[in-house]
Amino acid sequence: GNSVTQMEGPVTLSEEAFLTINCTYTATGYPSLFWYVQYPGEGLQLLLKATKADDKGSNKGFEATYRKETTSFHLEKGSVQVSDSAVYFCALLTDSWGKLQFGAGTQVVVTP
Amino acid sequence: DGGITQSPKYLFRKEGQNVTLSCEQNLNHDAMYWYRQDPGQGLRLIYYSQIVNDFQKGDIAEGYSVSREKKESFPLTVTSAQKNPTAFYLCASSIGNAGAKTQYFGPGTRLLVL
Repeated sequence: GNSVTQMEGPVTLSEEAFLTINCTYTATGYPSLFWYVQYPGEGLQLLLKATKADDKGSNKGFEATYRKETTSFHLEKGSVQVSDSAVYFCALLTDSWGKLQFGAGTQVVVTP
Repeated sequence: DGGITQSPKYLFRKEGQNVTLSCEQNLNHDAMYWYRQDPGQGLRLIYYSQIVNDFQKGDIAEGYSVSREKKESFPLTVTSAQKNPTAFYLCASSIGNAGAKTQYFGPGTRLLVL
């Protein structure tokens, strides 16, 4: 079956540090891949997506590249801010009806 | 503004009581979804609907029911059969045609048992 594995958190960083959150997946076919962000007490916001191999999604300084050979979609940001503190979810979509499979989420804490 | 609204923000349920969570969208999306989120876990799909008057069970449908009488609305009822209902419930919607159907989420409803 389909599954998504994310690195466990919390990930604690100082402001302006480099952030990487690992995400690997198992899926049949050719999934689309997503990163969502959840701020405390809120719903999920789409951060970025990639729909085919070698695509790079980017938004708000975050980037992730769809690597089919390593079945990965790692999230990176070059210089984090305190406002980036949140939980980040990696997700894949294979079903034609739009059913998302989520990872467990990775909490990121950025300190001043 | 287009978006997804969920109400109430907090909901309290007594033992043996059914409660209904509201989800409304004005994005003209065909598909709608309900997810459950427990602390430290990812989201799990409860029910989804691709078109009006049709819906399908997700991975954890037991103890829940839904209806889809209007395109804009997809209410979720947590029945007394759901023995562990305390969680954060998220509604989402997406366009219904082929392609990468990005899902957009509402702000969520937190359900607590008294």
